[in-house]
Parts: sequence; structure tokens; C-alpha cells
Amino acid sequence: DAMVIQNPRYQVTQFGKPVTLSCSQTLNHNVMYWYQQKSSQAPKLLFHYYDKDFNNEADTPDNFQSRRPNTSFCFLDIRSPGLGDAAMYLCATSGGTGDTGELFFGEGSRLTVL
Amino acid sequence: GEDVEQSLFLSVREGDSSVINCTYTDSSSTYLYWYKQEPGAGLQLLTYIFSNMDMKQDQRLTVLLNKKDKHLSLRIADTQTGDSAIYFCADPPVSGGGADGLTFGKGTHLIIQP
Repeated sequence: DAMVIQNPRYQVTQFGKPVTLSCSQTLNHNVMYWYQQKSSQAPKLLFHYYDKDFNNEADTPDNFQSRRPNTSFCFLDIRSPGLGDAAMYLCATSGGTGDTGELFFGEGSRLTVL
Repeated sequence: GEDVEQSLFLSVREGDSSVINCTYTDSSSTYLYWYKQEPGAGLQLLTYIFSNMDMKQDQRLTVLLNKKDKHLSLRIADTQTGDSAIYFCADPPVSGGGADGLTFGKGTHLIIQP
């Protein structure tokens, strides 16, 4: 059974039209991450939540925001998508400090910007 | 910051062994990881190695770690068509404890020839 679930799997939006991607987990993990992966590139960490504590990577554009209303859910909001934001967005979880550091990934949400 | 390097492509014949190599810069990592990504899917943990180990074997997979040279390799014995995927080497970031996510290489595309 899937433990990290992302919706939608495929999202098409227009230039500048806000988008929200969702992630839910059944692992009861403390930490949830959002990665951006462009073609033939390494997944790039955008930000993560350790419980309710939000940690933004220094080079993540302001256009990207996140919300974590409870342990199970985390959202990625792209306020004004540009053509360069077309990518696969991967949600992942981990058990936190003291854990092996293994990340559990969802299947990803592929964003297309027209 | 942390840097993880991999070659982008590896082509092998079905039944041969595949060896995927990775170099990293952070010497303080407790664990190092190999993830597999099939087309259109998220990343799936294949195996990991604890930093005080030189080798770990798990069925067809063998991980070798050379801490002195900061070199990690993944050997897949008897490569099958189902092994065709992108393989990512991953390392916790320099700043990191167990919760700061992982830094990924760009991934090695494993191509299987019949």
C-alpha cells in the first residue's frame, strides 16, 4: 500500500495561474520534504517541515510556498508558475533526527506550464 | 556545499554486471544511499551503507564504500531488463542531521542491451 501519496499525478496549468500540489503520508513521520526534479537533473530540495517547523532552502524562489496543516498532509503552492517551473515535484518523508535518514518518496506530481 | 557526482549513462548487456559509480564531498556522512527511479515514478530506496562499512551485499546488489577517496559504487549482478532505470547516489548535506534531507547526484541512466 502506498505510504506517501501525491495528488494530482499530472497537473497542467497556464502561465501565472496558481497551482497547489498535495502530499499525504500514513507513516506518521515527523519530517516532510518537497523536491523539484527537472529532466536529467538531480532532485533539488525546496523546503522541508520538521513537525511544524518550516525550513526553507536559501535558493528556493519566493514563488514557492508550503503549508503543513497536520502531521499527515503537506502542500506545495506555486503562486505564479512560469515556464521554468515545469518539472516533477516529489514529496518525501523521514523519521527525523536519529533515524537512518532514509527518505520515503511519493510517485511525484508532474507539472506542465503552458 | 555538498556535491555528489555520477556519470549520466551506463549501457550493459543483459546478464552482465553493472557498476555505477559516485563521488561525494562530505566526509562526515553517517549513511550513504542508492535510490532507483523508474520512468514517471518517484524515487525508491535500493540500499544504504553505514559509513563504518566497506561493503554491503544484498542479493544481486553490492555496495562498496571507499571513504578515503569518497567513492561509492553500486554493483548489480546479472543485470535484467527490469533493472533499466535511473540510479541516484545520495548523501546527507554537510549541514545536516538526520532531518535535513539528502543531496542527490544527477543520476545514472542504466540502459540494458538485449
